[in-house]
Amino acid sequence: AQSVTQLDSQVPVFEEAPVELRCNYSSSVSVYLFWYVQYPNQGLQLLLKYLSGSTLVESINGFEAEFNKSQTSFHLRKPSVHISDTAEYFCAVSRGFQKLVFGTGTRLLVSP
Amino acid sequence: DAGITQSPRHKVTETGTPVTLRCHQTENHRYMYWYRQDPGHGLRLIHYSYGVKDTDKGEVSDGYSVSRSKTEDFLLTLESATSSQTSVYFCAISDERRSYGYTFGSGTRLTVV
Repeated sequence: AQSVTQLDSQVPVFEEAPVELRCNYSSSVSVYLFWYVQYPNQGLQLLLKYLSGSTLVESINGFEAEFNKSQTSFHLRKPSVHISDTAEYFCAVSRGFQKLVFGTGTRLLVSP
Repeated sequence: DAGITQSPRHKVTETGTPVTLRCHQTENHRYMYWYRQDPGHGLRLIHYSYGVKDTDKGEVSDGYSVSRSKTEDFLLTLESATSSQTSVYFCAISDERRSYGYTFGSGTRLTVV
């Protein structure tokens, strides 16, 4: 069975600084990888996903994630964060038609 | 999300009472899921459904039951609520190509006192 590890429960950062949210997964077979974002008092929204092909995937609001098979990682990055990026971010993994398994989440706190 | 609604949004109930949460979708998706979200645990799967009257247990199913009599509705019942079931409950849906990811509802905040 696959599992997901998000090592950082909280990441504080100043506005316009770069940020990286780490995600590692364990699986012996090919997987699909996802990042979800949850704004306060809302449900989860799909931010980006890796299914196959290019290992670098991007979202419409400037986030990107890179699939690294050798390191079994799918870290989320943004070169310059905004106050509005303050949210909780969840990494998730699935294998084929198996159900999504979520990490425990990383709370991104952006300060002015 | 516009295609999935949860009700109620908030509920306070007493220990020992039964509680039913409703998830309604307008997307005609085959798959529906119930998760609970707790600090330090992320989202954990309670039950899921892969069609009308077809359901199965997730990793934290004890104390919960589900029913799906119509494609659009997936009900989660706490048979006898306990304080450990105080949580935020999320419903999610997905279509045949689950590689597209899940769509989540806005959640139900349940407090058991």
